[in-house]
Amino acid sequence: TQLLEQSPQFLSIQEGENLTVYCNSSSVFSSLQWYRQEPGEGPVLLVTVVTGGEVKKLKRLTFQFGDARKDSSLHITAAQPGDTGLYLCAGVGNAGNMLTFGGGTRLMVKP
Amino acid sequence: DVKVTQSSRYLVKRTGEKVFLECVQDMDHENMFWYRQDPGLGLRLIYFSYDVKMKEKGDIPEGYSVSREKKERFSLILESASTNQTSMYLCASSSLSGTVYEQYFGPGTRLTVT
Repeated sequence: TQLLEQSPQFLSIQEGENLTVYCNSSSVFSSLQWYRQEPGEGPVLLVTVVTGGEVKKLKRLTFQFGDARKDSSLHITAAQPGDTGLYLCAGVGNAGNMLTFGGGTRLMVKP
Repeated sequence: DVKVTQSSRYLVKRTGEKVFLECVQDMDHENMFWYRQDPGLGLRLIYFSYDVKMKEKGDIPEGYSVSREKKERFSLILESASTNQTSMYLCASSSLSGTVYEQYFGPGTRLTVT
């Protein structure tokens, strides 16, 4: 079983601060996805990174896939209360259809 | 928009009861999944199905079974509910977007077994 470790588990910051969430594994994934989950809802896909070293930007969110395709990071610039939620990384196996999820990072951004 | 619906948002059952969780997707996806979500553990795959009447065990299938009689519907069955099955249950379906599969989740069913 491939394992994904996310850190930190919890993060509470003030509006306007920057933050980085990490997702690490000892295994190689064909690609990696990041999801965001709000209370009472299912996770929603934010981005998929496919190539080692790839960087994708989604407004104030920057996603990076490690060169060896074993790790990823999510950086949020100038966090806003609307960014509050549970962030989950998920590694995509070679079959392409199966996901291995990290434990999640619960982010709270205070106004 | 893809829509994945789950039959109940909240469910309370007694130990030993048989429990049915229903999931329906409206996008003709072939692949469907059942996960449970527990704090700090992320999502763990219980069962998945890649076609009607086909099913495969995930990482934690013990105590669960599934049924997929129609393409749009995937049911999770707890044969005899136990307190350690108290959890959030999430259903998902997936489709290929370019070269990558994207999963779409329902809102979840929070099950409490007393």
